[in-house]
Amino acid sequence: NAGVTQTPKFQVLKTGQSMTLQCAQDMNHNSMYWYRQDPGMGLRLIYYSASEGTTDKGEVPNGYNVSRLNKREFSLRLESAAPSQTSVYFCASSEAWGRVNYGYTFGSGTRLTVV
Amino acid sequence: QKEVEQNSGPLSVPEGAIASLNCTYSDRGSQSFFWYRQYSGKSPELIMSIYSNGDKEDGRFTAQLNKASQYVSLLIRDSQPSDSATYLCAVIRAAGNKLTFGGGTRVLVKP
Repeated sequence: NAGVTQTPKFQVLKTGQSMTLQCAQDMNHNSMYWYRQDPGMGLRLIYYSASEGTTDKGEVPNGYNVSRLNKREFSLRLESAAPSQTSVYFCASSEAWGRVNYGYTFGSGTRLTVV
Repeated sequence: QKEVEQNSGPLSVPEGAIASLNCTYSDRGSQSFFWYRQYSGKSPELIMSIYSNGDKEDGRFTAQLNKASQYVSLLIRDSQPSDSATYLCAVIRAAGNKLTFGGGTRVLVKP
């Protein structure tokens, strides 16, 4: 009964380092998403994947890349980390039937600090 | 104008009282509406979804939707200290399945 699993839970990076945040879901959902959450800014969409094989930019994609590895896994990569990318990152997945989306299920989050 | 707006609070409510949270959205074509609860340091948890005008009740929670006024609300009846959290309003626009979140309302239930 895992739902959405994110790794790692915590990470400290130095400016310029790279890393990949991993996300996997076991609910057979088609759509997956990456959000970041900052104080006073709320949750903002970075990238999303409507289905396996497709990815699209969200509201704040600069400095990030994504890979939809298969239906279960959706990774987020920071190629050259900057202090402005210090944030809490959430992965989510969802299913929709026709025009009805049944809401997102979120992972537990990754707390990233860039120094 | 933000796409989804909420009062940031904090909304202070005595235990046992009704907490009333409001949310407005800008896209008149929005189709799906959600309320998430987020405890400090935790991930958002879906508590209510509503898709058509009117009220929807689930336990102590009632969601209300008025598409003409572009307004969604959440009522928490018999508020408990365990309801102290940030409540996020989220909306899916007509095109696609992307959720847009409001900034959240912090609720404090005092014993």
